Amino acid sequence: DAGITQSPRYKITETGRQVTLMCHQTWSHSYMFWYRQDLGHGLRLIYYSAAADITDKGEVPDGYVVSRSKTENFPLTLESATRSQTSVYFCASSEIRARPQVSGANVLTFGAGSRLTVL
Amino acid sequence: EDKVVQSPLSLVVHEGDTVTLNCSYEVTNFRSLLWYKQEKKAPTFLFMLTSSGIEKKSGRLSSILDKKELFSILNITATQTGDSAVYLCAVERGGSNYKLTFGKGTLLTVNP
Repeated sequence: DAGITQSPRYKITETGRQVTLMCHQTWSHSYMFWYRQDLGHGLRLIYYSAAADITDKGEVPDGYVVSRSKTENFPLTLESATRSQTSVYFCASSEIRARPQVSGANVLTFGAGSRLTVL
Repeated sequence: EDKVVQSPLSLVVHEGDTVTLNCSYEVTNFRSLLWYKQEKKAPTFLFMLTSSGIEKKSGRLSSILDKKELFSILNITATQTGDSAVYLCAVERGGSNYKLTFGKGTLLTVNP
């Protein structure tokens, strides 16, 4: 199916465990993003990637690791989960252009979200 | 630091009412402002605004940008219960490092 898919959709884990959230897109978009959404904070950027093998920190990167060996995949790993990382995680992708009037450019399309609970 | 402030944070109206949602921003090297609608799932794109004074319209929803005063409004006329959602405003910074900053959203509840 075309689009952007996240897995798992729901995950419960324990403090200290490693968790990986997967994100896969079929549009060959160059940019991919990971956001977390928490009540009172809105959407906050964790990491993003401009292309395969190029990643950069966002607003709240601590405790997270990303990789992008292939254009279509952008996994997010919590190396040692903490309760404060309980959240809904959204992956997104887009083409980014200097002139966003190009149709569809610079518009993030989001995955369905992954709800993570850390006990 | 880039900043996006939405108001009100929440709003309750009756079907048929008209609502105006506000978004003010401070961003270095502004490129565009985007509106998203979020029901109980992922945000979905509504509008992108890059120029002042040009209204974007889609059915009962419309939006306009004022780059001089650094704000945008999203209008919804003849509201329906299906308009109930969180409306998110985001501002894109131009330049070599891409950055999109979201506001905290306005929760709109439309009662029958």
